[in-house]
Amino acid sequence: QKEVEQNSGPLSVPEGAIASLNCTYSDRVSQSFFWYRQYSGKSPELIMSIYSNGDKEDGRFTAQLNKASQYVSLLIRDSQPSDSATYLCAVKEGGGADGLTFGKGTHLIIQP
Amino acid sequence: EAGVTQSPTHLIKTRGQQATLRCSPISGHTSVYWYQQALGLGLQFLLWYDEGEERNRGNFPPRFSGRQFPNYSSELNVNALELEDSALYLCASSPYRKTSTDTQYFGPGTRLTVL
Repeated sequence: QKEVEQNSGPLSVPEGAIASLNCTYSDRVSQSFFWYRQYSGKSPELIMSIYSNGDKEDGRFTAQLNKASQYVSLLIRDSQPSDSATYLCAVKEGGGADGLTFGKGTHLIIQP
Repeated sequence: EAGVTQSPTHLIKTRGQQATLRCSPISGHTSVYWYQQALGLGLQFLLWYDEGEERNRGNFPPRFSGRQFPNYSSELNVNALELEDSALYLCASSPYRKTSTDTQYFGPGTRLTVL
C-alpha cells in the first residue's frame, strides 16, 4: 500500500518569508514526484515536477528530492498572499503504469 | 490551447441512481485519468484509460466504471450511488509515452452530490 504523508497544517508564514512544505513517501520504486497547488473549490494546478535527486528551481519555487530518505520538499521564496492554498504532493512509479498517489495536502496561509 | 474540460459542473442524484460524468482531454493527449476527492480523504486514483483501453484502476468497487472513446474523451459511470460517493470527481490527461515523466493536467471537476 503506497502512502504519501504530509503535515496537514495549517502552516502560517509571513508575507515575504520562505514557506517550506514537506512530503514523505513509502514506496521505494516511486520515480516521479509532483507538487500541485489547489485553491479552495478549484482543481489541482501543477507547480513543479522532479525526477532526480537534488534541487530543481522554477521562479520562486524550488523542489528538493532525496530518494534515499524518501523525502521531497517544496520551498516557496518571497511568499505572497496569493500563495495561500493547499499544496498536494503526488508520486508515481516509473513506466507510467499507475495513477498518481497523493498526500492529503498541506494548507498554507501567507499572512500579509 | 484548451485545457481539460469536464461536464457537468454539478450533478445531484439520489441514492441508488446512476451518474455519468464526462471528460475531454487536452488536444494531443491520449491518456485520461479519473480521481475522486472526497472530504477528508484526499485525492484518490480511480481509473486510467489510454488508447481506448482501461490500463489500471484504483481500490474502488466495480460499480465505478468508464470508457474512452476514439477521440480520447472519456466517461465515468457510477452505478448504485451511495451517500459516500458524494465528492469532487476530477479528470486529468497526459500525453502517455510509456515513460515515468508524463505530467497529468487536471480539469475543473464535477461535484457529485448524492442525496
